[in-house]
Amino acid sequence: GQQVMQIPQYQHVQEGEDFTTYCNSSTTLSNIQWYKQRPGGHPVFLIQLVKSGEVKKQKRLTFQFGEAKKNSSLHITATQTTDVGTYFCAGATSGTYKYIFGTGTRLKVLA
Amino acid sequence: NAGVTQTPKFQVLKTGQSMTLQCAQDMNHEYMSWYRQDPGMGLRLIHYSVGAGITDQGEVPNGYNVSRSTTEDFPLRLLSAAPSQTSVYFCASSLAGTGGMNTEAFFGQGTRLTVV
Repeated sequence: GQQVMQIPQYQHVQEGEDFTTYCNSSTTLSNIQWYKQRPGGHPVFLIQLVKSGEVKKQKRLTFQFGEAKKNSSLHITATQTTDVGTYFCAGATSGTYKYIFGTGTRLKVLA
Repeated sequence: NAGVTQTPKFQVLKTGQSMTLQCAQDMNHEYMSWYRQDPGMGLRLIHYSVGAGITDQGEVPNGYNVSRSTTEDFPLRLLSAAPSQTSVYFCASSLAGTGGMNTEAFFGQGTRLTVV
């Protein structure tokens, strides 16, 4: 079945450093979504990518969807303490509604 | 708008007991789903529904039943609780796009379930 892996599992950075998490799917995806979950909270939607090679930016966050639509990345420039949380990708294959979540990357930012 | 409402927030069950986790949304979303979250394993899809009367299995459906009699409600039933079902359960809803391309999912606050 479809599997979605994320690396790294954990990342500690100094405030101001950059951060990147990678998402890899075992199958070709029709689209991929990214979510952020604060400690003790629920996942909150960040963005959706649909097109091969797509790049989207939200302030300090840059999202990419691979050319083969099997991988994606989230890059945060100059991390802040407010970026703390776990970042998940979630992908679905074409024609299905099964959104499979990645294992998540937990980010800690040291002030 | 309340969004997605899950009840209860916390629950302790004894092994073998049954119970229903409630999920309701007021956004007229066609798509609803249940996930469980365990440490180090991300969110795993249990069951999902693309509309009233339609449900399908996710990654980890064993031990759980669902039904979707209305657009608003999507309850999750544990038939005979086991310690392995100790987890945090999240319900989510979204608009169902064409070709399986949903819009953003809105999550409930979660139900923390402990089975002893």
